[in-house]
Amino acid sequence: AQTVTQSQPEMSVQEAETVTLSCTYDTSESDYYLFWYKQPPSRQMILVIRQEAYKQQNATENRFSVNFQKAAKSFSLKISDSQLGDAAMYFCLTTSGTYKYIFGTGTRLKVLA
Amino acid sequence: SQTIHQWPATLVQPVGSPLSLECTVEGTSNPNLYWYRQAAGRGLQLLFYSVGIGQISSEVPQNLSASRPQDRQFILSSKKLLLSDSGFYLCAWSVLSGFEQYFGPGTRLTVT
Repeated sequence: AQTVTQSQPEMSVQEAETVTLSCTYDTSESDYYLFWYKQPPSRQMILVIRQEAYKQQNATENRFSVNFQKAAKSFSLKISDSQLGDAAMYFCLTTSGTYKYIFGTGTRLKVLA
Repeated sequence: SQTIHQWPATLVQPVGSPLSLECTVEGTSNPNLYWYRQAAGRGLQLLFYSVGIGQISSEVPQNLSASRPQDRQFILSSKKLLLSDSGFYLCAWSVLSGFEQYFGPGTRLTVT
């Protein structure tokens, strides 16, 4: 069975600083996908970044980048130049290509002005 | 571009009353559709998913049901609501299983 663990229930970062959110996962699948989603106070889930497991290159989207360590089954999210609008709950999830998307429990990010 | 709509945005219903939440997707054909529930401060629980019209799979036994009467329409229903049905309901779609999901704005349901 696939599992996703986010060990940081809450994180804080100063505006304009960099923060890294941790995520570890477990899967027996050889091919799978990993995602980070952001859920702001509006509660709509917004895709932040996507990583295919077969790609060694870490995905990046503007200020957001991941550190994908396949052997360690680690998929951390780095947010650079943090902005007040980055304050949200962040969910890490994985899927192996079926309908099942396995979610972590989330990390609440606070951005301090 | 693709968009996903959910309504209503907020709903307060008494215990024992029926429920109907609707989700529609625009700008894509034959999407995979999903219903999730999120309790306050918790992660998402998959309730139902559908890969085509009339094809519904249930993940969690409960008093909820889902239907897909049209390609881009997904409905979540209940004949009699329970207090435990309160929560935030999210509809999502994906092009194929395993690809990124796109979520609707959600419905906040309070059962009193």
